[in-house]
Amino acid sequence: EAQVTQNPRYLITVTGKKLTVTCSQNMNHEYMSWYRQDPGLGLRQIYYSMNVEVTDKGDVPEGYKVSRKEKRNFPLILESPSPNQTSLYFCASSFFGTSGIYEQYFGPGTRLTVT
Amino acid sequence: SQKIEQNSEALNIQEGKTATLTCNYTNYSPAYLQWYRQDPGRGPVFLLLIRENEKEKRKERLKVTFDTTLKQSLFHITASQPADSATYLCAPYSGGGADGLTFGKGTHLIIQP
Repeated sequence: EAQVTQNPRYLITVTGKKLTVTCSQNMNHEYMSWYRQDPGLGLRQIYYSMNVEVTDKGDVPEGYKVSRKEKRNFPLILESPSPNQTSLYFCASSFFGTSGIYEQYFGPGTRLTVT
Repeated sequence: SQKIEQNSEALNIQEGKTATLTCNYTNYSPAYLQWYRQDPGRGPVFLLLIRENEKEKRKERLKVTFDTTLKQSLFHITASQPADSATYLCAPYSGGGADGLTFGKGTHLIIQP
């Protein structure tokens, strides 16, 4: 079954404690991205990756890191989480063709609370 | 800067009627535009993609139009059902380059039985 998986699905942590949210896709997609979703602000892109070892900042990259060492995995790293990073996070993947990014497949989401 | 506008207020429609959602964009020249459905607490699900040279696209009870002159896309659900209740997001994309994909904030659609 084609899917994007994220782990953990729920996480409560404390300020400053480094954490990683994993994302994996089994569709051999070139393009992967991370979004956060907050009430009233909608989906905002954090980082995206066009392919292995190619990453770029989205609209709200501050406080986050990513890496793309393998095509299927795109972890999101919070080196020193703060309460303003409390949010619902989504990972997504897509083929990237000559016309650009096609339909994105989203993961189930990770609800992060930083106290 | 690029801006995407969708109705921020919930749209209430009676079951069986046609629901029409609007997506306006500024400072964009999208090569295509995508529509997604999102249920509470879940990831968005892709519905339709329409290209700039297509005026209209249909899929079952869904219809999308794309007017590059008005800088607007309309999303229609005909014969609406309570199960169509969700938030609908539009995402214009300039295409070809290494840009990220930006989403509108979405319109919450409620179909009343």
